[in-house]
Amino acid sequence: QVQLQESGPGLVKPSDTLSLTCVVSGYSISSSNWWGWIRQPPGKGLEWIGYIYYSGSIYYNPSLKSRVTMSVDTSKNQFSLRLTSVTAVDTAVYYCARIKGDILTAFFDYWGQGTLVTVSS
Amino acid sequence: QSALAQPASVSGSPGQSITISCTATSSDIGGYNYVSWYQHHPGKAPKLLIYDVSNRPSGVSNRFSGSRSGNTASLTISGLQPEDEADYYCSSYSSSSTRVFGGGTKVTVL
Repeated sequence: QVQLQESGPGLVKPSDTLSLTCVVSGYSISSSNWWGWIRQPPGKGLEWIGYIYYSGSIYYNPSLKSRVTMSVDTSKNQFSLRLTSVTAVDTAVYYCARIKGDILTAFFDYWGQGTLVTVSS
Repeated sequence: QSALAQPASVSGSPGQSITISCTATSSDIGGYNYVSWYQHHPGKAPKLLIYDVSNRPSGVSNRFSGSRSGNTASLTISGLQPEDEADYYCSSYSSSSTRVFGGGTKVTVL
């Protein structure tokens, strides 16, 4: 059974860097899949952040591209998200997910439970 | 503003059928043959319901079905049940290998 679990600080100060990790179990991250991050601000809809292939190919949401970095650690079977210069608008539940298909056909078939990150001083 | 427009809310009585639309508002939504739908109960992980417009993953009830007409994809829930009350999102490929979600539709079972 594929499982994903997000982890990281629940509170980040404005202008700091948000860092989250997604640990994958029951499936090798080095298999032919893309891995993604999605977020949901309070009271709003889902927003795609980006996705990364195990070999390092990456695509980011253009609106976040200047502040986002994603990486993969195959030795730990996990992938990570960094978002710099955060403000209150970055407060959201952050989800990691496995992607099935290629970039054109991609859909998210397994999701983590999500982790709430609040940006506040 | 999302490039995929969904109604903010749809409601129906138990046993009825409802349809949620997802309309591409941008010509950047390529092909539109790769729409997926997700059910999201607050506080839980979103769940994949439909992929590639009309395909259902194993384990998803056949009460959920997807279709497409022109630049509008639709999710139909047949035999509406109380546990179907949730938020529903469509998603599609967008330009330059990116992805977009619709704004979401809140389904209420009356």
